[in-house]
This record gives sequence, structure tokens and C-alpha cells, in this order.
Amino acid sequence: EIVLTQSPATLSLSPGERATLSCRASQSVSRYLAWYQQKPGQAPRLLIYDASNRAPGIPARFSGSGSGTDFTLTISSLEPEDFAVYYCQQRSNWPRTFGQGTKLEIK
Amino acid sequence: EVQLVASGGGFLQPGRSLRLSCTGYGFTFGDYPMTWVRQAPGKGLEWLGFIRTKAYGGTTEYAASVKGRFTISRDDSKSIAYLQMSSLKIEDTAVYYCSRGSGDYWGQGTLVTVSS
Repeated sequence: EIVLTQSPATLSLSPGERATLSCRASQSVSRYLAWYQQKPGQAPRLLIYDASNRAPGIPARFSGSGSGTDFTLTISSLEPEDFAVYYCQQRSNWPRTFGQGTKLEIK
Repeated sequence: EVQLVASGGGFLQPGRSLRLSCTGYGFTFGDYPMTWVRQAPGKGLEWLGFIRTKAYGGTTEYAASVKGRFTISRDDSKSIAYLQMSSLKIEDTAVYYCSRGSGDYWGQGTLVTVSS
């Protein structure tokens, strides 16, 4: 099973700042990595698929990069609604697995 | 409008069985694989399993933690995917989500509480 390790566990930033979230895989997943956003009491929302493709309706301030074992989700300028928990998920191997999440909180 | 509605959750004792349903609206259900994911209280997301479309044999994949206890099936005539759970444990307590295969749409989740 591929293990995804997200860092940091918690990220404290202010609106307008740039956020950089990391996801590292225990073995190569090529570019088969997705990012999700989850707010309290809500289902996850797909942000990025195949490492760098924004899902429909996702603002351009969200971008993804990386390949192999190291991936990054960047939010260029934080909006108040961006404070949430973010998960990466690999779609390379079965079983699919999620990272443990990064909580993005308001500083 | 695409919508997924998860249902069937509830409160039950360890060792019992439960079947969850995920009904799809606004799209051709049979054209999409379906996924089940759960989230224990205060914890992260746990991928549970996947069912392919009938065109790809309707075959399934499971997480090791539930393989042999959970079974995913589908009835495309009713636009429903099922998660049959047996020998439930206290640690199966979670909100259970279904999603369309690629994760682009998710149901609202249904809560399963296993307690003695």
C-alpha cells in the first residue's frame, strides 16, 4: 500500500498570504495524485487531479505541481473561504490511499 | 444537476450488518465507476473501495482493512451503488461517503455508529 505523508500537519497563515502544502508518496505514483478540500460538516471537494489539473469551477489561485513522489498544492493568495483541511490522494495503485491531511487555519 | 444521495446509516451493535445506498441523479449512472470513503469522528479520510462500470466487468477493489467484511455492488437500473457491511466493529463508526469514480461529485455522507 502506498503511504502518503502530508506536511505540515497544520499551517497558520493570514488572508492574502501564499500557502504551500506538501504531499510525499512512499513510492512513485507518476502524476496520479489528486487534492481535496474539506470544510467542517461537508463532503470533500475535488480541487486538483493528475497532479496539476484544476477541477471544473476551481479558482485559478489553486495550483498543483509535482510528479513521482513529491507533490505540492499552492494557494497563491488566501481567501477567507480557503481555510479548511486539505487531503492528497493517490490514484496510481490499489488500494487508493489518502494522506492524513493538512489543516489550514487563520493566523 | 449531478447529485449523489447516501442513505442507510444508523446506530447498531457490534457484529451486526448494514447496507448503505448511494443514489445518483442527473447523470447516466451506469457510465461511471463509484467509490466509497469513510471518515471516523475527528479523523481523516479512509478510502474503502471501488466498483467499475459493467462495461469493465463491474469488478471491485477494496482496502485491506475492510476486505472480506465489506462488499460493494451496483444496480444501474436504479442508479444505486451499495456498500454491504458485515461483522461491524466499534471502529467502523464513521460518516460514509460515496463519490463518482473520479471524485468529482460526492454524496453528503451517512453516519454509521457502532456501539454496545
